[in-house]
Amino acid sequence: DAGITQSPRHKVTETGTPVTLRCHQTENHRYMYWYRQDPGHGLRLIHYSYGVKDTDKGEVSDGYSVSRSKTEDFLLTLESATSSQTSVYFCAISGTRTTQASGSVGTDTQYFGPGTRLTVL
Amino acid sequence: AQSVAQPEDQVNVAEGNPLTVKCTYSVSGNPYLFWYVQYPNRGLQFLLKYITGDNLVKGSYGFEAEFNKSQTSFHLKKPSALVSDSALYFCAVSSPGSARQLTFGSGTQLTVLP
Repeated sequence: DAGITQSPRHKVTETGTPVTLRCHQTENHRYMYWYRQDPGHGLRLIHYSYGVKDTDKGEVSDGYSVSRSKTEDFLLTLESATSSQTSVYFCAISGTRTTQASGSVGTDTQYFGPGTRLTVL
Repeated sequence: AQSVAQPEDQVNVAEGNPLTVKCTYSVSGNPYLFWYVQYPNRGLQFLLKYITGDNLVKGSYGFEAEFNKSQTSFHLKKPSALVSDSALYFCAVSSPGSARQLTFGSGTQLTVLP
């Protein structure tokens, strides 16, 4: 899984409790991403990071926050978990930008971690 | 906004037969297209991508995909299916304006019957 680990791999928690998921990479890639996977929706981007302390929102960011204090770690926090956040969470990484002749931004492939299955009761 | 459609939730094919998993997309500008595969209880594995150049892209495990700009499609193909190809397949798209944001289809479950 391209040098990406996620912890914990499984977690059961109760509504209203805080939860933090960790993604750790050994590839020294600049970009890191958090997705959630739900049946019928594919994967949806929650937040992503383009460097230490640099993050941005994705499609489904409400109720989630992230932090990246080191290149290798990207944390996803659910401040107060709700049942709608029951899902499988995937971290992904991608490398440095590749500039094409047109000047457009490159097309780095994203590589995914093994996932964390979170159940909120 | 960019989007991906995988019109078939489930595809069944006999072992040894050719397989096709369909994908159509909508994006502003030139698309960057990807296929991933997911085995049970695993993360997504990259299969192949189209960025520019030859419309036929070859990837891992004997898979290939054909980019068709006029039909806005990027169908995944394999000439001879194996039982071990049974998995969940995802198509994804990004664009020069949002290269960091991959948009995924809802996935197609491929079952190869022995």
